[in-house]
Amino acid sequence: DQQVKQNSPSLSVQEGRISILNCDYTNSMFDYFLWYKKYPAEGPTFLISISSIKDKNEDGRFTVFLNKSAKHLSLHIVPSQPGDSAVYFCAAREYGNKLVFGAGTILRVKS
Amino acid sequence: ETGVTQTPRHLVMGMTNKKSLKCEQHLGHNAMYWYKQSAKKPLELMFVYSLEERVENNSVPSRFSPECPNSSHLFLHLHTLQPEDSALYLCASSQVLASGGLGNEQFFGPGTRLTVL
Repeated sequence: DQQVKQNSPSLSVQEGRISILNCDYTNSMFDYFLWYKKYPAEGPTFLISISSIKDKNEDGRFTVFLNKSAKHLSLHIVPSQPGDSAVYFCAAREYGNKLVFGAGTILRVKS
Repeated sequence: ETGVTQTPRHLVMGMTNKKSLKCEQHLGHNAMYWYKQSAKKPLELMFVYSLEERVENNSVPSRFSPECPNSSHLFLHLHTLQPEDSALYLCASSQVLASGGLGNEQFFGPGTRLTVL
């Protein structure tokens, strides 16, 4: 049973608009959440994270929102740029334990 | 070299071959991981080494054999693989917390694209 789900396999967005990537989880013990970005032929790179004691974390064009009651988090990219086109993985963990990853969402930003 | 490096980047092997994947981290971390990424699936954790001890073996078939000779190096020895083992194999590293648990952020290598014929 997948504990972290990214239900949208792909997303296409126009350059300059907002990209919203979603992630749902089932384990209420998760207390830390991360987003990774992956380009073809490269390993995933860390993008942004959020602790369960917060509901929002912002870093430049990237903002992650956490809704603990809904067990849902989202990544907002504003404005989207063609270089943001990649696979985005959501990941979650219980303190001190292994990361659990979602299946990823392919983001395509069209210029 | 910086970050996490993996060699080879691409590997094609027959089902009867024996090969090894190598991972090296230059970040001063003391936990290392092997993941398997198949198309349209979540990253599957295979093995975790913390302070050079294996702390996780995620029901991986014995045809995959990990080795961690020190905190900077990790190997994955491959023997009599099946075509369904074809995938991207990713290595990652992280810190180990003072409590002994695994650090929050993992840093990944570029992966080895493995094809089993």
